[in-house]
Amino acid sequence: KQEVTQIPAALSVPEGENLVLNCSFTDSAIYNLQWFRQDPGKGLTSLLLIQSSQREQTSGRLNASLDKSSGRSTLYIAASQPGDSATYLCGVRGGSEKLVFGKGTKLTVNP
Amino acid sequence: SAVISQKPSRDICQRGTSLTIQCQVDSQVTMMFWYRQQPGQSLTLIATANQGSEATYESGFVIDKFPISRPNLTFSTLTVSNMSPEDSSIYLCSARLGMSYNEQFFGPGTRLTVL
Repeated sequence: KQEVTQIPAALSVPEGENLVLNCSFTDSAIYNLQWFRQDPGKGLTSLLLIQSSQREQTSGRLNASLDKSSGRSTLYIAASQPGDSATYLCGVRGGSEKLVFGKGTKLTVNP
Repeated sequence: SAVISQKPSRDICQRGTSLTIQCQVDSQVTMMFWYRQQPGQSLTLIATANQGSEATYESGFVIDKFPISRPNLTFSTLTVSNMSPEDSSIYLCSARLGMSYNEQFFGPGTRLTVL
């Protein structure tokens, strides 16, 4: 059974700082991995989708990397802004076709 | 991409009643899913909604409690039956356009409070 862990559970940084969020998973037989953000009381917004054959994906200030063999992914956020404050969720899709989620990292960017 | 809408966005219900949540996708999708997010927790998959056949439920979720319909490729409903305060959660509809390597999208969620 796939288990997904996200570290840290919460992170507070000053505006402008670069930061890294971590996601680890126990079963390396995955199709892909998706990073999402969730604002309080809202649904999930897809940020980046990284396929199992890829090493990284970039969108604007966001960069996601994937090391399938070690069961790890990172989400790098450059030059953080207060608008980046949200909970970031990692979802892993394996052979069961289902997305399995970690508990998320709650990010606060202080002006 | 796919844009997903849900109705209602929130509701407050009495114990023992039922609520049906509607999910509409702006394009035809192969896969539709229903998730639950309990307060302070991550997302848990309730079931995969299958067009024209019974939904596929995850361990711990049963059809009598969470009946699901999916009459076509763009619409699904989830009913939360005989509600108790433990059912207070955000319920999210999700969809994927096709193959396993495709991106998955989520609706805005329905915030349910059961008194």
